[in-house]
Amino acid sequence: GAGVSQSPSNKVTEKGKDVELRCDPISGHTALYWYRQSLGQGLEFLIYFQGNSAPDKSGLPSDRFSAERTGGSVSTLTIQRTQQEDSAVYLCASSFDRANRQFFGPGTRLTVL
Amino acid sequence: QKEVEQDPGPLSVPEGAIVSLNCTYSNSAFQYFMWYRQYSRKGPELLMYTYSSGNKEDGRFTAQVDKSSKYISLFIRDSQPSDSATYLCAMSAGSGGSNYKLTFGKGTLLTVNP
Repeated sequence: GAGVSQSPSNKVTEKGKDVELRCDPISGHTALYWYRQSLGQGLEFLIYFQGNSAPDKSGLPSDRFSAERTGGSVSTLTIQRTQQEDSAVYLCASSFDRANRQFFGPGTRLTVL
Repeated sequence: QKEVEQDPGPLSVPEGAIVSLNCTYSNSAFQYFMWYRQYSRKGPELLMYTYSSGNKEDGRFTAQVDKSSKYISLFIRDSQPSDSATYLCAMSAGSGGSNYKLTFGKGTLLTVNP
């Protein structure tokens, strides 16, 4: 079966531009997560979606970051007015429920010039 | 003090060696403990998943959790060059609340030399 997929795999953008990162979770998984992996910072939780419940956005670093999940499946993470400190690998994970066996995608490597 | 501490290494061992990887944590609410393996430029892959204290074995991998010491370990027996990767520990609180939030260590870079 297919795992979590993310696109694009790499994204280079200029400071101030907006970017959209996409995540396709494993079929049947109701929970979806976004994490950010930066050099020296490790993996940081960003946002969590579970079914039709309100998402937990407590990990989003600023109001430039937003995410949505349409139809309980695909999710898009949007970063507006990108800054150089946004450069990182953005990882998406999904799980069958809110339990903790989270399965990660390959990530999107974002570089802000 | 960070919630999860993990020695970043790097750790270099000869093929066939027993590898010991460790994490300590400060949050006594953590109940679920995981080890992920991450190859260069890939996403983390779930290796081991344990609940509360005790040992769990899967092939060449053994995970140990000592909640009284707030200390978890991953042992790799008969290490292979293909085990060369970054190993991340992760943990989360028990049922209820934000138990879906994983808190990660920064990872230990392991190289197994043929």
